[in-house]
Amino acid sequence: AQTVTQSQPEMSVQEAETVTLSCTYDTSESDYYLFWYKQPPSRQMILVIRQEAYKQQNATENRFSVNFQKAAKSFSLKISDSQLGDAAMYFCAYGRDMRFGAGTRLTVKP
Amino acid sequence: DSGVTQTPKHLITATGQRVTLRCSPRSGDLSVYWYQQSLDQGLQFLIQYYNGEERAKGNILERFSAQQFPDLHSELNLSSLELGDSALYFCASSVGDGSPYNEQFFGPGTRLTVL
Repeated sequence: AQTVTQSQPEMSVQEAETVTLSCTYDTSESDYYLFWYKQPPSRQMILVIRQEAYKQQNATENRFSVNFQKAAKSFSLKISDSQLGDAAMYFCAYGRDMRFGAGTRLTVKP
Repeated sequence: DSGVTQTPKHLITATGQRVTLRCSPRSGDLSVYWYQQSLDQGLQFLIQYYNGEERAKGNILERFSAQQFPDLHSELNLSSLELGDSALYFCASSVGDGSPYNEQFFGPGTRLTVL
């Protein structure tokens, strides 16, 4: 079974700084998608960014970008110019059945 | 607002009881997914329906069942409830058959408390 591991239960970043959240996964498939979701205190799940496994280029959405290392099965999220509104739980998710990691709680310090 | 609606928002019930959670997908979406999120934990995929048919199954307990109706809304039935079933239950929908190419849009969730 595919597993998704987020090894950082909590992370903290200073406002305007950059932070990277880690995610590794296990799969025997060659074609799949990976996702990062944000869950603010409202508990709403919000898609931040997604990566297609067959694409070499790392996905970017404004201040959010990923470092996708297919061979290493690693999918990290980089948040640049962190804002107070970025404070949330971040979940990495894999594939067709949306298997989620345990999440990383990000705190942004003013 | 994702366009996915879930009712009720909150539900408080007792052990041994049965409840039904309802989800209406976004207009045009054919797939509905159910997830369980226990306190301070990640999301666990329960089940997916596509156009009325069960498409994929995750770690769904035998006490739980779901269905998707012709109008594409879905219901998740939880029976013989236990304290450990207390959680936030999310519904999500997507346009297609659940391939990873379709983004999932999440509803606001139903908070279930079992006393």
